[in-house]
Order: sequence, then C-alpha cells, then structure tokens
Amino acid sequence: SQQGEEDPQALSIQEGENATMNCSYKTSINNLQWYRQNSGRGLVHLILIRSNEREKHSGRLRVTLDTSKKSSSLLITASRAADTASYFCAETSYGKLTFGQGTILTVHP
Amino acid sequence: DAGVTQSPTHLIKTRGQQVTLRCSPKSGHDTVSWYQQALGQGPQFIFQYYEEEERQRGNFPDRFSGHQFPNYSSELNVNALLLGDSALYLCASSGEGRFTDTQYFGPGTRLTVL
Repeated sequence: SQQGEEDPQALSIQEGENATMNCSYKTSINNLQWYRQNSGRGLVHLILIRSNEREKHSGRLRVTLDTSKKSSSLLITASRAADTASYFCAETSYGKLTFGQGTILTVHP
Repeated sequence: DAGVTQSPTHLIKTRGQQVTLRCSPKSGHDTVSWYQQALGQGPQFIFQYYEEEERQRGNFPDRFSGHQFPNYSSELNVNALLLGDSALYLCASSGEGRFTDTQYFGPGTRLTVL
C-alpha cells in the first residue's frame, strides 16, 4: 500500500522560477529519497536524506526533512524546461521504498 | 559502468497467461527490488532479493514470484495474468545488502494484459 502524500499534485511554473514540492509520510524511516520520472520511464535518483539530517543540497536541489512532522520538501531553484517531470518522495524503511503519488511539475519555457 | 537493465521493454499478454521479466543490477550491486507502477500512481513494492533469497515482500499475491541468480540478476514471474496486472514493472538495485542504500532503477518493462 502507498503511504504519505505529495503536495501539490501538479505544479506549473515558468522557467527561472523556483519549484517547491512537499511530502508527508507516516512511518519511522531510515532515510527519505527523492526521485524524478520522465514520461513513464524509469526513476532517476535525485537525493537521499538520512533520518538524522535536516537539510541537504545537491546542485539546484535543496531537500529538508522534519521527522517530528514526518514531512520533507524538495526545492528546485532556477527551474528549466528540462525539469518537467513527475517527482516522487520515497520513505525507506529496512530497504523497502514506499512512494507517494508524486507531483507533476511542468516548467514552461 | 552499466546501470540497471531490464528486458523486455514492452510486452503484451492475454489474461491467464504467465510472464517473466528480467533485470540485471548495476555493477557492484547485490540487492534487487521489484516495483509495480500503475498509470498515474507511484511505484508499489513487490519484493526484494538478497543473497538469492526473498528478503522482504509487499502486499502482492502469490501469483507474483521471483528469483535471484548467483550473478545477482533477477526475474519476476507473474502467473494467471489479470487485466489489473497491466503496469510498468520497475527493477531497482542497491549495494552490499545494506537497508539504507540508494536504490537505482532500470527503465522498466511495460506490461499490457488484454
């Protein structure tokens, strides 16, 4: 079964703007991972944040984790048309990934 | 360095048939997980293999079975196919059997059941 929710379900922005996606989860986690998926293809790993970390950066990506609220956010700065994709957060518990339904991001050139 | 590979890319079957999907993990990885992704949904965990044993299983019926070979590659078998089994099947690999490692996904196999 799927747990957690992503918010918003869909997001439409202009190139150069920032995009923020939120994720809530329900169980205790080892870590939380964010993935991108283009047009129903395989998932591309973006970033992993461990349960004892609060913030992590990778290039234009910034992820935060609040274990007390069981929530995480993904910020993409200075978005590009190539960032158009579905974004999923996944709770990791004992090696099993539990995904939300994802956020569909559309970046208009 | 080859990433995770899956075969076939697409597959069309009819109800009641059986299907086998294949996955080769990323070089250096020994753990393989399988996920089912229905259209418009996030992937759902089917099971995970490590050291040729099923280590964890999600909420899927026994019609879904798997195998891991000594070279760490894996197969997913689905018997008595139902229309609802139509989905993208994703394989993911991770290294050294640790629970906390990043999982790297293959491109998936698109299964259509008619």
